[in-house]
Amino acid sequence: KAGVTQTPRYLIKTRGQQVTLSCSPISGHRSVSWYQQTPGQGLQFLFEYFSETQRNKGNFPGRFSGRQFSNSRSEMNVSTLELGDSALYLCASSRGYQETQYFGPGTRLLVL
Amino acid sequence: DQQVKQNSPSLSVQEGRISILNCDYTNSMFDYFLWYKKYPAEGPTFLISISSIKDKNEDGRFTVFLNKSAKHLSLHIVPSQPGDSAVYFCAASGQGAQKLVFGQGTRLTINP
Repeated sequence: KAGVTQTPRYLIKTRGQQVTLSCSPISGHRSVSWYQQTPGQGLQFLFEYFSETQRNKGNFPGRFSGRQFSNSRSEMNVSTLELGDSALYLCASSRGYQETQYFGPGTRLLVL
Repeated sequence: DQQVKQNSPSLSVQEGRISILNCDYTNSMFDYFLWYKKYPAEGPTFLISISSIKDKNEDGRFTVFLNKSAKHLSLHIVPSQPGDSAVYFCAASGQGAQKLVFGQGTRLTINP
């Protein structure tokens, strides 16, 4: 069974631009969560989607948004990029509540 | 307020011996705990999990112990192998949410 895939793997953007990251979950998984990893803040939860509905949201500004499609694939968008948005963005999928979350390889975003 | 804490940033263990990684949490509503292993620039790899209704779970060389009264969990790796060298994260969830709260990680180095 294929794992979680994320595209692109690497991105370089400049301040003020916007970016869209994509995540394809493991087949049969309906929950998709997004996390940000930075050296200073560690791994932090962004949001979680289940059956196209956002169920939980972390403490991030409104510039961070996401959505989930009917095939469970998910995208996250960051608008008006700031230098501090440089991070590894990780997507995880699971069958549902208290089911193991399996992570993708991440998208490394560098904001210049 | 860090709800999940891994107080040891690093740990060095000789090959073949036992590695013990520790994690403390403060939120009594957490009821599901996981351990992940992570290499740089990759997504976390799931190792083992435990529900709050148990106090021990084993999977091969990995055993997780949960002490709810002390709000403490530990991961035991026996025997330790060079391939175990990585950063280990503990994570917790609860309150009906799929959101994972991560510790800051412990870098484990297995010496030959």
